[in-house]
Amino acid sequence: EAQVTQNPRYLITVTGKKLTVTCSQNMNHEYMSWYRQDPGLGLRQIYYSMNVEVTDKGDVPEGYKVSRKEKRNFPLILESPSPNQTSLYFCASSTKRDSYEQYFGPGTRLTVT
Amino acid sequence: GIQVEQSPPDLILQEGANSTLRCNFSDSVNNLQWFHQNPWGQLINLFYIPSGTKQNGRLSATTVATERYSLLYISSSQTTDSGVYFCAVELVTDKLIFGTGTRLQVFP
Repeated sequence: EAQVTQNPRYLITVTGKKLTVTCSQNMNHEYMSWYRQDPGLGLRQIYYSMNVEVTDKGDVPEGYKVSRKEKRNFPLILESPSPNQTSLYFCASSTKRDSYEQYFGPGTRLTVT
Repeated sequence: GIQVEQSPPDLILQEGANSTLRCNFSDSVNNLQWFHQNPWGQLINLFYIPSGTKQNGRLSATTVATERYSLLYISSSQTTDSGVYFCAVELVTDKLIFGTGTRLQVFP
């Protein structure tokens, strides 16, 4: 089954404790991206990657890191989480640019206290 | 930066009604997409539509890039259409900018 998986689905952590949210897709997609969703603000892009070893900043990259060492994986790293990073996070992947249908993961709800 | 505005912010319909959602953007874009987020939070791609018109069942979308807007039409709405509809524009830098969404509630 074609899918994008994220882990964990729920996470409560404390300020400053490094964490990683994993994202994996099994569709051989080139493009992968991370978004955060906050009430009243819609979805905002954090980072995206056009292919292995190629990553670019989205609209709200501050406080986040990503890596794309393999085509299927695109982890999101919070080196020192803060309460303002409490949010719902989505990973997405898509095929070549000209078709661009995005497949979203189920979301990760992160709470930083 | 580019502004992406959606209207109306909220929409309440009775089953069977038709509706039009609008997405305005303030600058030229590479492409535009429509998404649906169901009440359980799942996000689904509806249309990839940089210009022209596309139809998929009861849903259709039209983008007039020269006038910087896109419309999503929902005909004969069903309760399963409830959720939030987002448009998103892709910039020449490959960034994706989302609108704040239209929340649709369809009652039987």
